[in-house]
Amino acid sequence: QVQLVQSGAEVKKPGASVKVSCKASGYTFTSYGISWVRQAPGQGLEWMGGIIPIFGTANYAQKFQGRVTITADKSTSTAYMELSSLRSEDTAVYYCARESGFSSSSYLDYWGQGTLVTVSS
Amino acid sequence: DIQMTQSPSSLSASVGDRVTITCRASQGISNYLAWYQQKPGKVPNLLIYGASTLQSGVPSRFSASGSGTDFTLTISSLQPEDVATYYCQKYNSAPLTFGGGTKVEIK
Repeated sequence: QVQLVQSGAEVKKPGASVKVSCKASGYTFTSYGISWVRQAPGQGLEWMGGIIPIFGTANYAQKFQGRVTITADKSTSTAYMELSSLRSEDTAVYYCARESGFSSSSYLDYWGQGTLVTVSS
Repeated sequence: DIQMTQSPSSLSASVGDRVTITCRASQGISNYLAWYQQKPGKVPNLLIYGASTLQSGVPSRFSASGSGTDFTLTISSLQPEDVATYYCQKYNSAPLTFGGGTKVEIK
C-alpha cells in the first residue's frame, strides 16, 4: 500500500533552516510527483511547491520562492523540503503528498502524516 | 495566479440534511478541481477529483459537479462522521491553489 512517512517534529529558532523528509513506499517513486503543503495552526491548506522525481525539476509557489528548496533522492525514494530564514509565521504542520501523476496537472491522492515545525526563540 | 474562493466558510446542519458547498475559480480551470476532507486533528483526505469523480472508498452520499469556474460539493444526507473542513483545490497547472475551506458542523 502507498505510504508516505515523514520525519519528526522540529523546533527551530528564527533565522534558521529546517529540512523535512518524506519517505515513499508501495509504489514506483519516479512515476509520480510529490507536493508539499503546509497548515498553520487553525488555518487552511497552503501549497508550497512540488517536484517530479524522475526529472528532478521543482515548481514553487511564488510566496516561497527563494526560501524553499524541494529535492528528491531516487535511490532512497525520499523527498525533502528545506525552508530557510524561518520566522514565527512558519510555525505549521508540513505535509508531503503524492501527486496523481508526473505532470503539473495532478491532484494529491496520498498524504504523509505531517511534521510539526515550531519556530520560536 | 488563479484564486479559489469557497463559500460558506462554515455551516451548521442537522443529521440527514443536504449540504452544499461552493467553490469558485477566478479563471476557468476546466474540470481540474479536487475536493479534500480534513477531519479535526487528521490528515487531509482526497474525496473528489476531475470535478466530479469520487475517489475509491468515498461514500456515495458525497457528490460534486461543475466545470470552468463554478463548482459544488454536495453531501446528500449529512452524517456525524462528516464533521470536517472541506477544501477545494485547482490542479490545472502550478500553483495548486486551495480554497479557504468550509467547516461543517452538526447542529
